[in-house]
Amino acid sequence: ETGVTQTPRHLVMGMTNKKSLKCEQHLGHNAMYWYKQSAKKPLELMFVYNFKEQTENNSVPSRFSPECPNSSHLFLHLHTLQPEDSALYLCASSLGQGIRNEKLFFGSGTQLSVL
Amino acid sequence: TQLLEQSPQFLSIQEGENLTVYCNSSSVFSSLQWYRQEPGEGPVLLVTVVTGGEVKKLKRLTFQFGDARKDSSLHITAAQPGDTGLYLCAGLLSNTNAGKSTFGDGTTLTVKP
Repeated sequence: ETGVTQTPRHLVMGMTNKKSLKCEQHLGHNAMYWYKQSAKKPLELMFVYNFKEQTENNSVPSRFSPECPNSSHLFLHLHTLQPEDSALYLCASSLGQGIRNEKLFFGSGTQLSVL
Repeated sequence: TQLLEQSPQFLSIQEGENLTVYCNSSSVFSSLQWYRQEPGEGPVLLVTVVTGGEVKKLKRLTFQFGDARKDSSLHITAAQPGDTGLYLCAGLLSNTNAGKSTFGDGTTLTVKP
């Protein structure tokens, strides 16, 4: 148990569906992140939130829409996805203080399959 | 171009053997972290190294940061089946949020009983 909880653990959706991924952290952290992990590729940082404000969007297609209502919760809204979007989506959090030995805590991920 | 290259990509060994995995880059990192990820789970931080030449030990795992802070190695002594997993290195190019680390593509380790 890392203190970062993601739901659902598995999701199968069609290309016309709309779904949302949820992430909650109980660590008192100020920074939260969405990553995409595809087979045989490095972890890709998608979005960064610091104190509820989005500070980074790494050229992510608009069919992925993040939402951070408070420092403890992070959502990723999905719509009209493509089969190549199938991957493990990981949420993470950290203190957000920018010190070089800051620790990153990951959730267990949502395994997404787009049919 | 992959900023952080890990080798080998796959490693399958017998219980009790020793192994070393490598993480190499042409860039200088402010700090470097190693994670282990088990199937169906997210990565879990094992160690952070921040000083060139630094060596850290975690039970049977020994981590080393290169003198120039461009590379790192992870050595496991007497591997056990519980060591099986994906090992990821991640480097921070500057003092910034840990989540902005650049990740390598990982080494998948299988330890057979």
